[in-house]
Amino acid sequence: DIQMTQSPSSVSASVGDRVTITCRASQGISSWLAWYQQKPGKAPNLLIYAASSLQSGVPSRFSGSGSGTDFTLTISSLQPEDFATYYCQQANSFPLTFGGGTKVEIK
Amino acid sequence: QVQLVESGGGVVQPGRSLRLSCAASGFSFSNYAMYWVRQAPGKGLEWVAIISYDGSNKYYADSVKGRFTISRDNSKNTLYLQMNSLRAEDTAVYYCARDRLPYGDYGGTHENYGMDVWGQGTTVTVSS
Repeated sequence: DIQMTQSPSSVSASVGDRVTITCRASQGISSWLAWYQQKPGKAPNLLIYAASSLQSGVPSRFSGSGSGTDFTLTISSLQPEDFATYYCQQANSFPLTFGGGTKVEIK
Repeated sequence: QVQLVESGGGVVQPGRSLRLSCAASGFSFSNYAMYWVRQAPGKGLEWVAIISYDGSNKYYADSVKGRFTISRDNSKNTLYLQMNSLRAEDTAVYYCARDRLPYGDYGGTHENYGMDVWGQGTTVTVSS
């Protein structure tokens, strides 16, 4: 199985900050990676697919990059509604696996 | 609008069974592969199973293989998860989700573009 490791597990940031979350796969997955945002008590929401493609309706301040084993989710200017937990997910092979999550908290 | 609504959760004793349903509306359900994903209390997301758009291919997480069965009824626009021999560690919110692109067969390659529509979740608690 492919293991996904996210870092950091939590980050404190202020509105307007640039936030970067990293995700590392235990083996190469090309660009088969998705990013999700989840708010408390809600279902996850797809932000990025194929490592860098923005899902329809997602604000352009979200961007993804990387390929192979190392990936990044960047929020260019953090907004109040962005405080949430973010998960990466490898979409290369079954079983699909998620990273452990990164909680973005208010500083 | 595009919507998924789960039902069937509840409190069940260890070793017993439960069947979850996921009713789809607002899109051509029969054209999309579907997933079950769960989240234990205070924990991260765990993929459970996938079924291809036509039901011909199914894959499971090792943690549920042999105990859970994913199925679909395209005539009823409904996805199911039959859960047998339930354990305390199966306690979680269970989400159904849609494959981002239609006609996912997954008989050969497994690459996919993520899950773009999610239900609100249904809670399963396994406890004596």
